[in-house]
Amino acid sequence: GQQVMQIPQYQHVQEGEDFTTYCNSSTTLSNIQWYKQRPGGHPVFLIQLVKSGEVKKQKRLTFQFGEAKKNSSLHITATQTTDVGTYFCAGHPGNTPLVFGKGTRLSVIA
Amino acid sequence: NAGVTQTPKFQVLKTGQSMTLQCAQDMNHEYMSWYRQDPGMGLRLIHYSVGAGITDQGEVPNGYNVSRSTTEDFPLRLLSAAPSQTSVYFCASSYSLGGAYNEQFFGPGTRLTVL
Repeated sequence: GQQVMQIPQYQHVQEGEDFTTYCNSSTTLSNIQWYKQRPGGHPVFLIQLVKSGEVKKQKRLTFQFGEAKKNSSLHITATQTTDVGTYFCAGHPGNTPLVFGKGTRLSVIA
Repeated sequence: NAGVTQTPKFQVLKTGQSMTLQCAQDMNHEYMSWYRQDPGMGLRLIHYSVGAGITDQGEVPNGYNVSRSTTEDFPLRLLSAAPSQTSVYFCASSYSLGGAYNEQFFGPGTRLTVL
């Protein structure tokens, strides 16, 4: 079964509020990837983190990889309607193919 | 470059019918994979391939077959469709050299309904 857990499953925010989704694994991940899927679309790669404690930023998006390489987070500052979609984390728990979390669906109320 | 292409975009099957979902990429990627996406279940890996002639099972392989005769193509076959296979199917590819450790490029998906 799924070895990469992601919470929350849904998040509704007012435009301008912040948003965070969390990803956890019971085993060490060699890397963590984040994807965004717009409604009716396909997943699109956002970023990959590899190093313990790594933090990367893309405009209003901040990605973190935990020190133990078992958790990660995606934080969006001041959400906009264009941020609507489902955000997935994905990683390799142990020596396995890429496993996706179940995703967090973000709704932004204008 | 067309990227990753999938055909058909939509398909309706009757229980017991067979069909092949096509996937092709023109980026010379060695790693290719198939996922199914169901509401609330995220993306689950069906089969994957690290290169031509090499395939392996993912998390949910039952009821599906794959082959990889060329680098470009990775078809997914449903031998006897069942309603439980109603889903959206995505094909993905990535550069080799660690294969799945690189950015995955997804196709637009095939929406399959089995009646």
